[in-house]
Amino acid sequence: KQEVTQIPAALSVPEGENLVLNCSFTDSAIYNLQWFRQDPGKGLTSLLLIQSSQREQTSGRLNASLDKSSGRSTLYIAASQPGDSATYLCAVRPAADAGNNRKLIWGLGTSLAVNP
Amino acid sequence: NAGVTQTPKFQVLKTGQSMTLQCAQDMNHEYMSWYRQDPGMGLRLIHYSVGAGITDQGEVPNGYNVSRSTTEDFPLRLLSAAPSQTSVYFCASSYSGHMNTEAFFGQGTRLTVV
Repeated sequence: KQEVTQIPAALSVPEGENLVLNCSFTDSAIYNLQWFRQDPGKGLTSLLLIQSSQREQTSGRLNASLDKSSGRSTLYIAASQPGDSATYLCAVRPAADAGNNRKLIWGLGTSLAVNP
Repeated sequence: NAGVTQTPKFQVLKTGQSMTLQCAQDMNHEYMSWYRQDPGMGLRLIHYSVGAGITDQGEVPNGYNVSRSTTEDFPLRLLSAAPSQTSVYFCASSYSGHMNTEAFFGQGTRLTVV
C-alpha cells in the first residue's frame, strides 16, 4: 500500500534562507509526483509536477527533485520570503491503481513559516 | 481562467439535512474528483468521474452521491448530513491520461455539520 510521508511537519525559518522540504513514498511504482501549496482556509495550488521519468522540475525559486528508486522527492525553496508561508503538500499518483480512479496519495504536509 | 470553481465556500448544516456542493471546471478536463481533507488524515478520495455519464467510488464514498451530466460540472450530494462529514471538501480536475495528469483544485468548501 502506497504511503506518503513528509518531514518535517513544521518548519520556521528567517527570511532569505534556502530550505528543503522532504517527501518520501513507499512504492516506487508511480506515474508522477506533484507538489502543492495550501494557504490557511484556502484551496490547493499546484506548484510543480514531476513525471516518473524526470529527475527535477523548476519554477522560479522552486526546484523539485525526484528519486523514484529511493522513494524520495525534495522541494527546494531559494531565498525564502514571508509570502512563502503556507503548508506544502506532496502527492503521488500510483501506477498500480486498480481501474481508472487515478487517485492521488497525499502526505500530511509541512507547515512553513518564514519570519521577516 | 476560472479553473476549478467550488460553491459554497462555507456551509453549516444540521444533522439530517441534505445539500449539494457544486464544482465546475472550464478546462475541458475529462477527469474530475472529490476529496475530503481531515486533520491528521490527509486528503481522501470520495468519488470520481472519467467523463460525462461515468462515475465511480473512491476510498470513502459512504453518505455521498455524485453525477456527471456534463463535462464541466461534477456536484457532490450529501443526502443526510452527519457530524462525521464535517470536513473541508475539494474538487479537482485533470486530463484523463496517466502521465501528464496535473491536477487542479478548487478553493474548497468548509462544511460543518452540527
